[in-house]
Amino acid sequence: EAGVTQFPSHSVIEKGQTVTLRCDPISGHDNLYWYRRVMGKEIKFLLHFVKESKQDESGMPNNRFLAERTGGTYSTLKVQPAELEDSGVYFCASSPTGSSPNEKLFFGSGTQLSVL
Amino acid sequence: AQKITQTQPGMFVQEKEAVTLDCTYDTSDPSYGLFWYKQPSSGEMIFLIYQGSYDQQNATEGRYSLNFQKARKSANLVISASQLGDSAMYFCAMREFLMDTGRRALTFGSGTRLQVQP
Repeated sequence: EAGVTQFPSHSVIEKGQTVTLRCDPISGHDNLYWYRRVMGKEIKFLLHFVKESKQDESGMPNNRFLAERTGGTYSTLKVQPAELEDSGVYFCASSPTGSSPNEKLFFGSGTQLSVL
Repeated sequence: AQKITQTQPGMFVQEKEAVTLDCTYDTSDPSYGLFWYKQPSSGEMIFLIYQGSYDQQNATEGRYSLNFQKARKSANLVISASQLGDSAMYFCAMREFLMDTGRRALTFGSGTRLQVQP
């Protein structure tokens, strides 16, 4: 069974450019989460989809970030325009139902974003 | 306020010895879960172990065990018989079951980098 996959694994862009990150969750997982880790700090929650709906987007830093999950399958996270402080590792995770306290999240390998 | 605190940025341990990675948490929610994840150099986050707030016994998964002290709000990870492949970042995380918000996301600590020496 395929795990959570993220594309690209690395992205280097200039300040002001646009970047789109993609996440393919495990098939059948309704819940999809985006997290990021900047400059060796803790991993911060960005948002949570249940199928195609945004359940919780309280972690989105500002309106330069736009996440979509059309059709409830894969998700994209667009940063437009990118700023230097957006550099970091962006993780995607998925889980089956989200209704159990002990339900673990399955993570992808992350996308390393460098904004120059 | 910090929800999850990992006070050890880095740890060294000799191969075959046991090591404890510290984690303290802060919540007013009576129902919550605590997780440990391992992040090797390849980047993916690997689930290790889970402890529920109502669990009476400490969780164990192979060489991993969780020293859960609820009154002290600590959930330390114990790795027994360390192996070279255990060298990685280790993250403690918590899920609160905040029924009023429906929040289901994990909150992570800053991580501990463990290096196992031969």
